[in-house]
Amino acid sequence: AIQMTQSPSSLSASVGDRVTITCRASQVIRNDLGWYQQKPGKAPKLLIYSASSLQSGVPSRFSGSGSATDFTLTITSLQPEDFATYYCLQDYNYPFTFGPGTKVDIK
Amino acid sequence: EVQLVESGGGLVQPGGSLRLSCAASGFTFSSYWMSWARQAPGKGLEWVANINLDETEENYVDSVKGRFTISRDNAKNSVYLQMNSLRVEDTAVYYCVRDPSGQPPDHWGQGTLVTVSS
Repeated sequence: AIQMTQSPSSLSASVGDRVTITCRASQVIRNDLGWYQQKPGKAPKLLIYSASSLQSGVPSRFSGSGSATDFTLTITSLQPEDFATYYCLQDYNYPFTFGPGTKVDIK
Repeated sequence: EVQLVESGGGLVQPGGSLRLSCAASGFTFSSYWMSWARQAPGKGLEWVANINLDETEENYVDSVKGRFTISRDNAKNSVYLQMNSLRVEDTAVYYCVRDPSGQPPDHWGQGTLVTVSS
């Protein structure tokens, strides 16, 4: 199975900050990567698909980039509702695998 | 509006069985693959299984192969997860997820908790 890693595992940031989360795959996955946001007690929400495409209804302050093995999720001007845990997922082959998550909390 | 509503979770003893159901609405169910994913308490997300439009293809994570079976009924807009030989480590919230072909799973249900304990 493809292993996904994320860094950092957690970060503290302030409202208005620019936040960058990275995800690395153990083998080339083209651009078959999604990013999810999950708040406590809630289901995950898809933010980005195909590494850089914004899911409908997601604010434009979220963006994704990368291909092959290295990917980035960027949140420009962090908002109060963005404090959550973020996961990457490879859907290149089976089994689909998630990264371990990055928790973004308030500084 | 896409809606996915899971049911069937509960407490079961190790070695027991449980069948989860997911009722879908707000989209053309027969046109989408469907997945199940899970999240153990305080842990990360794990994709469990998916099924194609006409039940001719199923895929599973290794840890559930031979124990779990995914199925669907397009006439009832429903997807199921039959879980046998349950283990303590299967304890998790199980999510039903719409799975567009060629894109990552997009819409998630609210989840149903499965607890495996003696």
